[in-house]
Amino acid sequence: EAQVTQNPRYLITVTGKKLTVTCSQNMNHEYMSWYRQDPGLGLRQIYYSMNVEVTDKGDVPEGYKVSRKEKRNFPLILESPSPNQTSLYFCASNPGPSRSEQYFGPGTRLTVT
Amino acid sequence: LAKTTQPISMDSYEGQEVNITCSHNNIATNDYITWYQQFPSQGPRFIIQGYKTKVTNEVASLFIPADRKSSTLSLPRVSLSDTAVYYCLVGDRGSTLGRLYFGRGTQLTVWP
Repeated sequence: EAQVTQNPRYLITVTGKKLTVTCSQNMNHEYMSWYRQDPGLGLRQIYYSMNVEVTDKGDVPEGYKVSRKEKRNFPLILESPSPNQTSLYFCASNPGPSRSEQYFGPGTRLTVT
Repeated sequence: LAKTTQPISMDSYEGQEVNITCSHNNIATNDYITWYQQFPSQGPRFIIQGYKTKVTNEVASLFIPADRKSSTLSLPRVSLSDTAVYYCLVGDRGSTLGRLYFGRGTQLTVWP
């Protein structure tokens, strides 16, 4: 089944403790993105990647890192999480220049205390 | 990167047709218009995409006037299960192909 998977789905952590949220897609898509969603603010793009080793900042990249060493994986790294990063995070993939639809993962709800 | 303006919320009743309009005054020549639907605690789901005039699929229709500065998503005969947030996106087909702006979307509530 074609899908985007994220892990973990739920995470509660403390300020400053490094964490990684994994994202994997099995559709051989070139493009992948990370979004965060907060009440009243809609979906905001954090980082995106147009191919392996090619990443760029979205709207709200501060406090996050990403890497794209393999085509299927696009992990989101929070080196030193803070409470303002408490949010619902979505990973998405897209086939590429055809600009067809994005496929979203199920989401990761992160709480930083 | 062309941004969009949509109503924050809309209400409708079951069986009615719903039209959600999106403004995108700065749309570029190669930009496409895409609509997504999102239910609570789920990722957005692609609904429809178009470039000009009218596009129709099994879920919705998309109307785009000649100047392309706005678009209208039309949902025929809505049901309670159509209650969701609807996002209008304008895609940049230039050097920033991966860059997308979702905005706040339109909360559609369908009442019995």
